[in-house]
Amino acid sequence: QTVVTQEPSFSVSPGGTVTLTCGLSSGSVSTSYYPSWYQQTPGQAPRTLIYSTNTRSSGVPDRFSGSILGNKAALTITGAQADDESDYYCVLYMGSGIYWVFGGGTKLTVL
Amino acid sequence: EVQLVQSGAEVKKPGESLKISCKGSGYSFTSYWIGWVRQMPGKGLEWMGIIYPGDSDTRYSPSFQGQVTISADKSISTAYLQWSSLKASDTAMYYCARPIDSGWYGPFDYWGQGTLVTVSS
Repeated sequence: QTVVTQEPSFSVSPGGTVTLTCGLSSGSVSTSYYPSWYQQTPGQAPRTLIYSTNTRSSGVPDRFSGSILGNKAALTITGAQADDESDYYCVLYMGSGIYWVFGGGTKLTVL
Repeated sequence: EVQLVQSGAEVKKPGESLKISCKGSGYSFTSYWIGWVRQMPGKGLEWMGIIYPGDSDTRYSPSFQGQVTISADKSISTAYLQWSSLKASDTAMYYCARPIDSGWYGPFDYWGQGTLVTVSS
């Protein structure tokens, strides 16, 4: 069973840049997995940031960007702000039969 | 404006049945898949399954196949998630969500506000 992996936690200084990654326990992530990223603050529904590797959802500022870095999908936040402190989830398309699998999420701290 | 509005919180006992809903508006309900995501207390997101209201084609994650039933009533633009016999482990927040593109069960872009289901004796 393939697991989608994310860093459990990460910290960034205000104004800094951070890159969160999304990988596979076996194999490499490519655009064929349509990696997508979501932000969730406590008590709120998820908010879509990036879909299909690098397309920003409507209203998402351009300091959020998605890419493939090496064998993983990546979410880069530039100029981190206090309200970026959230949980970030990636999801990958695993094909017909399994469909979509979320990673375990990364808790981002801005301090 | 695309909106997904879910039914309110539920408190149920183990063994009881339940059906929660998600009403879509602001788009052609029959042209987009609509899916469900579980979030257990303090845990991450889990993709459960998805339905195409146009023809009721339904797909389930292997983890949820046989555990829940997803359905839709296109006449009232509403999707459903139901259980025939709840367990305490079904206690979670459930979100409905819609993909960005019509015609395939792609990545979600629009989300409902969530329905909290609590199962306790």
